[in-house]
Amino acid sequence: ETGVTQSPTHLIKTRGQQVTLRCSSQSGHNTVSWYQQALGQGPQFIFQYYREEENGRGNFPPRFSGLQFPNYSSELNVNALELDDSALYLCASSPPGVGTEAFFGQGTRLTVV
Amino acid sequence: AQSVTQLDSQVPVFEEAPVELRCNYSSSVSVYLFWYVQYPNQGLQLLLKYLSGSTLVKGINGFEAEFNKSQTSFHLRKPSVHISDTAEYFCAVTLYSGGGADGLTFGKGTHLIIQP
Repeated sequence: ETGVTQSPTHLIKTRGQQVTLRCSSQSGHNTVSWYQQALGQGPQFIFQYYREEENGRGNFPPRFSGLQFPNYSSELNVNALELDDSALYLCASSPPGVGTEAFFGQGTRLTVV
Repeated sequence: AQSVTQLDSQVPVFEEAPVELRCNYSSSVSVYLFWYVQYPNQGLQLLLKYLSGSTLVKGINGFEAEFNKSQTSFHLRKPSVHISDTAEYFCAVTLYSGGGADGLTFGKGTHLIIQP
C-alpha cells in the first residue's frame, strides 16, 4: 500500500511568485487536508477537501487555494508569495469517517527569498 | 475556538527512565484527542488517539495517554524510553461535532531528548 506522497520535497521561490505543491493520497482515502508548519511550531490547518470540494478552512487568506482531483490527489496553490510563507507544507489524507487517522506525507519545504 | 497547550517545549530524559509529556486543551465542545510524533525531516505519525470509551489509551511503541475531562488534559507517558524515541511530539484535537472538517489543532510540540 502506497502512503501519502508529496512533491517536490524542497523548492525555493522569490517573493511575489506563485507556487503549486502536489499530494497523492493513500489508497482508499477520500479526504485530504493541508497544513503549514513554520520552523519550531506545530502544524497549522490550511484547508480540507472532501470529494473534490473544500469543506473546511483555517485562518489563511484566499491566496492559499487548492484542488482535489477525482483520484483524490490534491494541489495547494499559493499566490503572491511572502517571506512568512517559508515553511514545511504537510499533506494528510484520511479514510471516510469521523475521528479517523490522518496519514501525513513527508512534506514540502518551501523557502521564499 | 479550540486550543492546545503543550507545557514543555523540551524534555530531557535518561535512557530507560519514564517520561510524561503534558498536554492541555481548551474547547467549549467535545473533542477528539491525538498524539503525533515527528522524526527529523519526516512527516507526522500517529501514536494514539482518544475518541470515546476508556480514558486510558494505548498506542504504538509502548506509549499510552490518559484523557482527563475535568482537567482538560491528555498527557502522554512511556514507562521506559529508548534512544530511538528522540523526536518532536505533538498533541492535537479536532472537534467532535465538526465531522473532521475543522482539521486538527496542534500544540507547539515537545522535543523529547533521550540522554544515554
